[in-house]
Amino acid sequence: DQQVKQNSPSLSVQEGRISILNCDYTNSMFDYFLWYKKYPAEGPTFLISISSIKDKNEDGRFTVFLNKSAKHLSLHIVPSQPGDSAVYFCAASAWGNTPLVFGKGTRLSVIA
Amino acid sequence: GAVVSQHPSWVICKSGTSVKIECRSLDFQATTMFWYRQFPKQSLMLMATSNEGSKATYEQGVEKDKFLINHASLTLSTLTVTSAHPEDSSFYICSARSDRENQPQHFGDGTRLSIL
Repeated sequence: DQQVKQNSPSLSVQEGRISILNCDYTNSMFDYFLWYKKYPAEGPTFLISISSIKDKNEDGRFTVFLNKSAKHLSLHIVPSQPGDSAVYFCAASAWGNTPLVFGKGTRLSVIA
Repeated sequence: GAVVSQHPSWVICKSGTSVKIECRSLDFQATTMFWYRQFPKQSLMLMATSNEGSKATYEQGVEKDKFLINHASLTLSTLTVTSAHPEDSSFYICSARSDRENQPQHFGDGTRLSIL
């Protein structure tokens, strides 16, 4: 049973527009959520995180929103740039620094 | 930012060979390191969690005698794939995390292992 779900395997967005990547989770014990970006043949790069005591965290062009009641989080990238094209993984962990559980990823393509 | 170095980045070897992959945290002490495996177009699958100075905790279905993990210091963990076979061919990625709560894991660049 997948505890972290990214239901969109791919997303195409025009340069300059907003990219919205979605993630749902089922485990109510999760309290720390992260987004990673991954290029082919490289390890994931940490982008942004949010703890369950917040509902929004912003870092430059990247904003993560958390809706605990819906068990849903999203990553907004605005404005989108061609260099943002990559696979984005959502990840979550429970209290106490347990291992991260990853979604299957969403491939973002930003078209110039 | 935190840097995790993984070596080698690519290995091609014959069936039956044992292969060692190193994972180093370069600018922080990593109490915990993780080893993942990624199949094409799949998510990262956690193989094992290693804590410095103690035995690794393996996920269900991962053979501990096949995938030997050593975490002898706060900056180095190794994964040895013993007697590798073609089905062990995959992309292996390590990550490291400090012991401060709610810190992100930082990943190495992965090792592509191809067994002929």
